[in-house]
Amino acid sequence: AIRMTQSPSSFSASTGDRVTITCRASQGISSYLAWYQQKPGKAPKLLIYAASTLQSGVPSRFSGSGSGTDFTLTISCLQSEDFATYYCQQYYSYPPWTFGQGTKVEIK
Amino acid sequence: EVQLVESGGGLVKPGGSLRLSCAASGFTFSSYSMNWVRQAPGKGLEWVSSISSSSSYIYYADSVKGRFTISRDNAKNSLYLQMNSLRAEDTAVYYCARNAPGANYFDYWGQGTLVTVSS
Repeated sequence: AIRMTQSPSSFSASTGDRVTITCRASQGISSYLAWYQQKPGKAPKLLIYAASTLQSGVPSRFSGSGSGTDFTLTISCLQSEDFATYYCQQYYSYPPWTFGQGTKVEIK
Repeated sequence: EVQLVESGGGLVKPGGSLRLSCAASGFTFSSYSMNWVRQAPGKGLEWVSSISSSSSYIYYADSVKGRFTISRDNAKNSLYLQMNSLRAEDTAVYYCARNAPGANYFDYWGQGTLVTVSS
C-alpha cells in the first residue's frame, strides 16, 4: 500500500498568514492526489483533486501543487473558517485508498 | 443537492454485529461507485470498503476483510455495510462517501454514524 505522510502534524497560525502543508507519497502517484478539510464533528470536505484542481465552490485562497511524490496545499491568506484539520489522499493505486495522518491548523 | 445520510450506528458488544445504511439523494445513485470510510476517536481517516455502481467490483481494507460486507440497492438508492465479529478497534465514526464522476477520489460525504464496540 502507498503510504502518505503529512507535515507538520499540527501548527499554529494567525488569520492573514500564508500557510503551507506538505504531503509525501511513499512512491510516485503522478497527480492522483486529493486534499480534504475537516472541522470538528463534521464530515471531510473535498478541496482539491488532481493535485491542483480546485473543487467547485472552494475559495481561491486554497491552492495545490506537486506531482510524483511531493505535494503541497497552500492557503494564501488564512481566514477564521480555515482553522481545521487537512488530509491528503492518494487515488493512484487502490485498493487501498490511503490518507495522510492529517495536519491540524490551530489559532495562534 | 447531493445528500448522503448514514444510520444504524450504536453501541455493540465485542463479537456482535451491526448494519449501517446510507441513504442517497440528489444524484443518480446507480451511476456512482460508493465507499465507506471510518475515523476512530481523535484519529485520522481510514478507507474501509468500496463498491462499484453495479456491484461488480468490491474491495475491503485488510483490517475488515472477512468480517464486513458492503452492498447496495440501486432501486432504493441505498448503500449498506454489514459488520460482523466487531472488535474494540472498529469503534469509529463511519462515513459513506461518493466517488467523483469518472474518478476515484471522494467528492461528497455523509455526516457519519458512530459505532462503539464495548462491553
